[in-house]
Amino acid sequence: KNQVEQSPQSLIILEGKNCTLQCNYTVSPFSNLRWYKQDTGRGPVSLTIMTFSENTKSNGRYTATLDADTKQSSLHITASQLSDSASYICVVSAKGNNRLAFGKGNQVVVIP
Amino acid sequence: EPEVTQTPSHQVTQMGQEVILRCVPISNHLYFYWYRQILGQKVEFLVSFYNNEISEKSEIFDDQFSVERPDGSNFTLKIRSTKLEDSAMYFCASSGQGLKNTGELFFGEGSRLTVL
Repeated sequence: KNQVEQSPQSLIILEGKNCTLQCNYTVSPFSNLRWYKQDTGRGPVSLTIMTFSENTKSNGRYTATLDADTKQSSLHITASQLSDSASYICVVSAKGNNRLAFGKGNQVVVIP
Repeated sequence: EPEVTQTPSHQVTQMGQEVILRCVPISNHLYFYWYRQILGQKVEFLVSFYNNEISEKSEIFDDQFSVERPDGSNFTLKIRSTKLEDSAMYFCASSGQGLKNTGELFFGEGSRLTVL
């Protein structure tokens, strides 16, 4: 069973609109949670990294939230642009090891 | 801006052949990783490498796979006898601090391997 579940699997949004992507995880003990953006056929690029004590972190138009009690995170994209079309991957790290648990990603398509 | 570079970008090989995927991590980084992503699926951890030795490997990383740092800059993944199911995008990544310390992880653009 995947330790990181993301929803929705895919969504289409109009340029200029906002959207929120969800990530639920079961990784324990928790160390940190990362959001990556992956353009088609490219390597993932880091957007945010959050530890247990951080509730929110922003990177430009991207804002990530973390609720470590409910083991949930969200990524909010504000005023979407065509270049936001990509897969957004939630990645969770457990304490004590070098492994990252990857979600399957949220596929976002922004249309004009 | 420093980046992780990978070669080749795409390799097509016959089943049973050996392939070597090459990576040049960011120059002052100490932690190196290989991941793979089968088309349409999630990224999977293969192996981590620190101080010239494997620090951790996944169940996928069996005897068919090996990693090497032949010199001060290159980090290679060798697949000894390729199988059809090895077809995937292989990502190299590097980190300055390691993932236990929320170190930033930088990915290369990937090497797409197609096994026929």
